[in-house]
Amino acid sequence: NAGVTQTPKFQVLKTGQSMTLQCAQDMNHEYMSWYRQDPGMGLRLIHYSVGAGITDQGEVPNGYNVSRSTTEDFPLRLLSAAPSQTSVYFCASSYGGGREETQYFGPGTRLLVL
Amino acid sequence: GQQVMQIPQYQHVQEGEDFTTYCNSSTTLSNIQWYKQRPGGHPVFLIQLVKSGEVKKQKRLTFQFGEAKKNSSLHITATQTTDVGTYFCAGPSAGSNYQLIWGAGTKLIIKP
Repeated sequence: NAGVTQTPKFQVLKTGQSMTLQCAQDMNHEYMSWYRQDPGMGLRLIHYSVGAGITDQGEVPNGYNVSRSTTEDFPLRLLSAAPSQTSVYFCASSYGGGREETQYFGPGTRLLVL
Repeated sequence: GQQVMQIPQYQHVQEGEDFTTYCNSSTTLSNIQWYKQRPGGHPVFLIQLVKSGEVKKQKRLTFQFGEAKKNSSLHITATQTTDVGTYFCAGPSAGSNYQLIWGAGTKLIIKP
């Protein structure tokens, strides 16, 4: 099993550009989520999904869109990148709901917005 | 709103010294999870505590969950270079069935 994979590993964007961060898992997990990690602030939840076709907002959803058309994939879209979105983005998945289950994280995408 | 506070933010230790990080929640938690993130890496699950007063050990790591289920600690005995990284605690959000609230993490640094 590859676990949770993310692409790209690094990305540099200009302000106003859009892009999609890819996340895939091969563990048949129902729950998937996106976090951003900024220095000294821990992990903040952006969006999450409890199954194909079902998504919801987390703590910091503004400027991001998600969709979940399959169990395996959960892409994160930046609509119009801003310097405040410079961060490290982690995708995570778990077997059941997010509160009680072990979270499996991908390797992360390091994003710089100029 | 609900908060999970983690202290200290950094701890510098000599190799062989002990390390402790503390996690305090503003609300009672049904469980608490601990994760480790190596420099440049991603968080990796260490353990989950569920019961009031629970103590669990993993080799040199000791995890405790407070009697009131509002605080937790991770203690590492005789630190080694392989322990370097940031340790996070996370607890269930009181306002959502699906969200975790994360502490800001404690970074363990081994002095050269």
